[in-house]
Amino acid sequence: EDQVTQSPEALRLQEGESSSLNCSYTVSGLRGLFWYRQDPGKGPEFLFTLYSAGEEKEKERLKATLTKKESFLHITAPKPEDSATYLCAVAGGTSYGKLTFGQGTILTVHP
Amino acid sequence: ETGVTQSPTHLIKTRGQQVTLRCSSQSGHNTVSWYQQALGQGPQFIFQYYREEENGRGNFPPRFSGLQFPNYSSELNVNALELDDSALYLCASSSGQEGLDYGYTFGSGTRLTVV
Repeated sequence: EDQVTQSPEALRLQEGESSSLNCSYTVSGLRGLFWYRQDPGKGPEFLFTLYSAGEEKEKERLKATLTKKESFLHITAPKPEDSATYLCAVAGGTSYGKLTFGQGTILTVHP
Repeated sequence: ETGVTQSPTHLIKTRGQQVTLRCSSQSGHNTVSWYQQALGQGPQFIFQYYREEENGRGNFPPRFSGLQFPNYSSELNVNALELDDSALYLCASSSGQEGLDYGYTFGSGTRLTVV
């Protein structure tokens, strides 16, 4: 069964203080690893899909990387508006269409 | 019209009752998935519909059922509600059978409380 574990559960940063979020995964036949952002009271918002080890994608202050066992979401010089829950999910195995999510990392950026 | 729309936004039901949640997919999307998100947890996959056929299901009992209509809107039905069914129910749509390149577009969800 696919499994996704995210760490830390919560992260508090000062504005401009760069850091990384971790996503460890176990999956049989990875078809894609996703990063989503979720604001309170809203549904997840798509950020990236990574397909194979060594791949990297960037969007504004966010950069996602992928290895065979984990993915990192690097946040460079964060701003208060980056505060949200960041979710990692995998699509793999024979469960077509199913995303397996981690529990998320709650990021708070203080001005 | 863009985005995924879900209704109602909030709902309170009594244990044992039945509930129907509705979702309008993003324009151009022919795949819809439903997820259950408990407080403080990540979403859990319930099932997916592609061109009106269920083509994937998670570990949820048969009292969770769904429909996708020709206009790609969708319903989630839950029978014999239990207290543990209290959660945020999310609908997500994509084009093609799996939203890999562009991800799934999620709605804001329906908050269901079972008392």
